[in-house]
Amino acid sequence: EVQLVESGGGLVQPGRSLRLSCAASGFTFDDYAMHWVRQAPGKGLEWISSISWKSGSTGYADSVKGRFTISRDNAKNSLYLQMNSLRTEDTALYYCAKDVSFGSAWYFDSWGQGTLVTVSS
Amino acid sequence: DIQMTQSPSSLSASVGDRVTITCRASQGISNYLAWYQQKPGKIPKLLIYAASTLQSGVPSRFSGGGSGTDFTLTISSLQPEDVATYYCQQYDSAPLTFGGGTKVEIK
Repeated sequence: EVQLVESGGGLVQPGRSLRLSCAASGFTFDDYAMHWVRQAPGKGLEWISSISWKSGSTGYADSVKGRFTISRDNAKNSLYLQMNSLRTEDTALYYCAKDVSFGSAWYFDSWGQGTLVTVSS
Repeated sequence: DIQMTQSPSSLSASVGDRVTITCRASQGISNYLAWYQQKPGKIPKLLIYAASTLQSGVPSRFSGGGSGTDFTLTISSLQPEDVATYYCQQYDSAPLTFGGGTKVEIK
């Protein structure tokens, strides 16, 4: 069974940094692209970043480009999101999501439970 | 960026009704479209991909259609457990984008 467990969320002041982690199990992690998707309280889904299966390719939404960095450690079956220069509008539940296909298809068949990031002074 | 517009933003229907949700892309995306269901307080679940292919385990009352710019998600006979918000997502090109969601309630 696929399991994705996010951690690292919390309350942080504007301008500060936070690093999210996602521990994966139940599938061959390095065979799949991975993604971060967020959901602000009471709002819809927003894709923010993706990384290919061997980290050769990454992508970011304009809203986080230059501030957030996605990475993965295939030896540890883990996905990360380094978030710098946080803004109040980054407040959201951050989901780790697994790509559907061997390699990458850019849509998601498994989601973690999410980790809440609150940016506030 | 490709904008995804869903309509309606919410709907209320009776058990057994046929329900259709529309998703329109701002430019052609072939059939690179997925639909997700998010029940209240729960994580999203993949329902349909490639515009019309049902994900394994999804009830057959759900169906998807369309290509290019116009897509539909249809629930042939609405059930109480279908109360949720439904999102479309295009994966034709980066940035990946979602529709704003359609909230489905029981009348």
